[in-house]
Formats: sequence, C-alpha cells, structure tokens
Amino acid sequence: QSALTQPASVSGSPGQSITISCTGTSSDLGVYNYVSWYQQHPGKAPKLMIYDVSNRPSGVSNRFSGSKSGNTASLTISGLQAEDEADYYCSSYTSSSTPYVFGTGTKVTVL
Amino acid sequence: QVQLVESGGGVVQPGRSLRLSCAASGFTFSTYPMHWVRQAPGKGLEWVAAISYDGGSTNYADSVKGRFIISRDNSKNTLYLQMNSLRGDDTAVYYCARSGPERGTYRGLDYWGQGALVTVSS
Repeated sequence: QSALTQPASVSGSPGQSITISCTGTSSDLGVYNYVSWYQQHPGKAPKLMIYDVSNRPSGVSNRFSGSKSGNTASLTISGLQAEDEADYYCSSYTSSSTPYVFGTGTKVTVL
Repeated sequence: QVQLVESGGGVVQPGRSLRLSCAASGFTFSTYPMHWVRQAPGKGLEWVAAISYDGGSTNYADSVKGRFIISRDNSKNTLYLQMNSLRGDDTAVYYCARSGPERGTYRGLDYWGQGALVTVSS
C-alpha cells in the first residue's frame, strides 16, 4: 500500500487561508470516510486535528476544517497563525493488506 | 488526563530483537483499540500495527508482517510491540497511540505517547 500523496510544502502569510490536499485511490479515500489529519511540530508527537473527514476533536480550533471529494481530501487552515507552522499528515483506512496509511506529509510555512 | 508512556527503546544489532512497552493511564485502557506508529529520522509517519480492545484482533503493515507482534495486557494497562529480525530500515521513533475519539479502530488516533527511539545498527 503506497502512502497517500500530499504536496511537500505549502506556505501563506498570517491571516490568510491555505489548503493542503491529500490524494488517494478507490481503495481508500474514494470509498471510506475515515480520513484524519495530524499536526506535528518538530520533535513532538503528532496531534489529531480532524477525524472522519471533517470532525474536530474537542479543543481543536475551528480555524481547521476538512473535506473530501472523490479520491481527494483537503485540510483548510483559515486565519493562518505563526503557531500553525508545522508538518501535516493525512491518513485513511484502506481495503489493502495494510489497513491504515498516512500521507507523505506537508510542511506548512507561515511567511 | 490521558497519558501514554513508551519505554524499551535503544540500540540493537541487525537481526536481533527488542520489545517496546507503552504504559497507559487516565482512561479505561481495556475499552480502546491501540496502535503503534513509527517515524524514521527526517521522514514521515508510517503506521505499524493495531490491536483490538481485547487483543483478539491484530493487523500489521506489510513492512513488518511476520517480524513484529503487537499485544496488550489489560490487567497492567500496557501495550507491547515485540520486534524480531530487526533491520536497518526499522530505525525510527516508535509512538503508541489510542484510537479515538469515536469508536472504531481506524477513525483517528487521538492520544499519542512521546515516542521511543529504536536504532538498528552494528
């Protein structure tokens, strides 16, 4: 099972909105709504930001939102802040022999 | 509060074995599926294995299938990862993580440990 495909980097200025894409296949994103997004700051453990495509866990800012269309999921960060600078990973359940897969990761830079 | 604390990491020679532990507290451990996820130095996240709440069902990534064994002891609130026939590409920080916040093994991982570094080198 190959990793889901994400852009290597995305950048934006404070206050702007950015969107990170996550492309999969008909074995994962195309058929399941078990898409999650994780934020990871350097040297820290990942943090769950979105689950089930568009749900935010308690305590996560509503500046983070998720969506999905076909084989592609997206994470949008609105009102970009300096603290949002981190690596972001999508993930999904898959019907392959490896049942859970992460994306390749996207480095978000706040200009 | 929920806490997951990994231990057992270190330097090990290729072909040898190592067992990681993850001590859980702050929640009813026996009712949650659990996972191991690893991250090689400077690389992305890679899912390794998952186990059901009662240990009756396990799943593995193809890259570790047949070499790693995930298990749990609900009486000790502890998750384990037995790693055998270790190779250089197994070098990584290994995180334990809890399935959540909704029921279901693969809907999200809502709490993570701080990670344990495993280095496979001669």
